[in-house]
Amino acid sequence: EPEVTQTPSHQVTQMGQEVILRCVPISNHLYFYWYRQILGQKVEFLVSFYNNEISEKSEIFDDQFSVERPDGSNFTLKIRSTKLEDSAMYFCASSERVGGSSTDTQYFGPGTRLTVL
Amino acid sequence: DQQVKQNSPSLSVQEGRISILNCDYTNSMFDYFLWYKKYPAEGPTFLISISSIKDKNEDGRFTVFLNKSAKHLSLHIVPSQPGDSAVYFCAATPVSARQLTFGSGTQLTVLP
Repeated sequence: EPEVTQTPSHQVTQMGQEVILRCVPISNHLYFYWYRQILGQKVEFLVSFYNNEISEKSEIFDDQFSVERPDGSNFTLKIRSTKLEDSAMYFCASSERVGGSSTDTQYFGPGTRLTVL
Repeated sequence: DQQVKQNSPSLSVQEGRISILNCDYTNSMFDYFLWYKKYPAEGPTFLISISSIKDKNEDGRFTVFLNKSAKHLSLHIVPSQPGDSAVYFCAATPVSARQLTFGSGTQLTVLP
């Protein structure tokens, strides 16, 4: 069964450093997403991406965040200058399309645990 | 932001019995709803979904009910199995949008 994969599973970084989280969405999916879950809190939407551009972003997704699809398979989230409060699980997801049918279901990867020291 | 609420943080049921997990929403623009299951250190796993044109959707042991007038949905698991023990998240989105709004989750424990 196709699945979303994410690397690394755990990333430790120093405050102020740049990190890149990587995702390989399901191959025939067209929409890609990043979510995060701070420990003890809800899963929160960050950004959606379609046709090589951002479709929607939340207020969390400020100028220190960026996303990119550098090739035909990878989807990345970059945090330019990490802060302590960026420590969280980051989940990538993908869906075939949107529109309220079963093909719009978002499938999640296993997550990357980001720890900012 | 409490647009999607799961008021029960935990639920314990006996193996073989029915598990009922509840979810309430406030945003009337939501018209597509999903349930995810999550084990520790893993990503959410899709279980079942329902669009607002339906009031019920079944998939094997899982059934989701939607009451639009009450802005309430529920997930029924029958019969419950120990392997169902996990955190269950309700999520919602407007059809035209792409961002899921999640509830806080309910920890289901199925006792053997």
